[in-house]
Amino acid sequence: DTGVSQDPRHKITKRGQNVTFRCDPISEHNRLYWYRQTLGQGPEFLTYFQNEAQLEKSRLLSDRFSAERPKGSFSTLEIQRTEQGDSAMYLCASSRTGEREKLFFGSGTQLSVL
Amino acid sequence: DQQVKQNSPSLSVQEGRISILNCDYTNSMFDYFLWYKKYPAEGPTFLISISSIKDKNEDGRFTVFLNKSAKHLSLHIVPSQPGDSAVYFCAASASGDMRFGAGTRLTVKP
Repeated sequence: DTGVSQDPRHKITKRGQNVTFRCDPISEHNRLYWYRQTLGQGPEFLTYFQNEAQLEKSRLLSDRFSAERPKGSFSTLEIQRTEQGDSAMYLCASSRTGEREKLFFGSGTQLSVL
Repeated sequence: DQQVKQNSPSLSVQEGRISILNCDYTNSMFDYFLWYKKYPAEGPTFLISISSIKDKNEDGRFTVFLNKSAKHLSLHIVPSQPGDSAVYFCAASASGDMRFGAGTRLTVKP
């Protein structure tokens, strides 16, 4: 059990550029979640996958955001045409079916849009 | 819409004393409640949870109390230790996504 891994840890980009983040969940976990956290706030739900199926998307996830989990293992979160308001910590978490509420979080990717 | 609220952004207690962190929620459909702890530069880590069919769950120094009629839960840490200093998030689930409060920064002074 190596934990949830996220890459990169930090990303600085210019407004209008596209960025992609990667998350590797704990290997036996079939649920994978993406959250966003801004300063002074708790994590905000973005979307989650059960295996490769994307089961729920928050209204926070505008059409500039897309998430995939092609083989039910790692996941990517892409933000197109980044805006300064996208600057945040993007957290990935995973869990087992049957223990869905017990999320294991990665250390996050800190995005700064200049 | 803030369905989970932690109204105290910070709390400071003396080592050895009790820490009480509070959380209120608005959605009566929530059926599972959790507390997560977060250190700087790390993701939140699960601490303790409680199902809506219970009113208390204890794990070592940590106890979570749930008052469904008041839509309120609290986390008690006894005795508090300096290593408990962190940000504590309350979370609630109603199948599917989980909603988090804004967090309370606990500082335990030696």
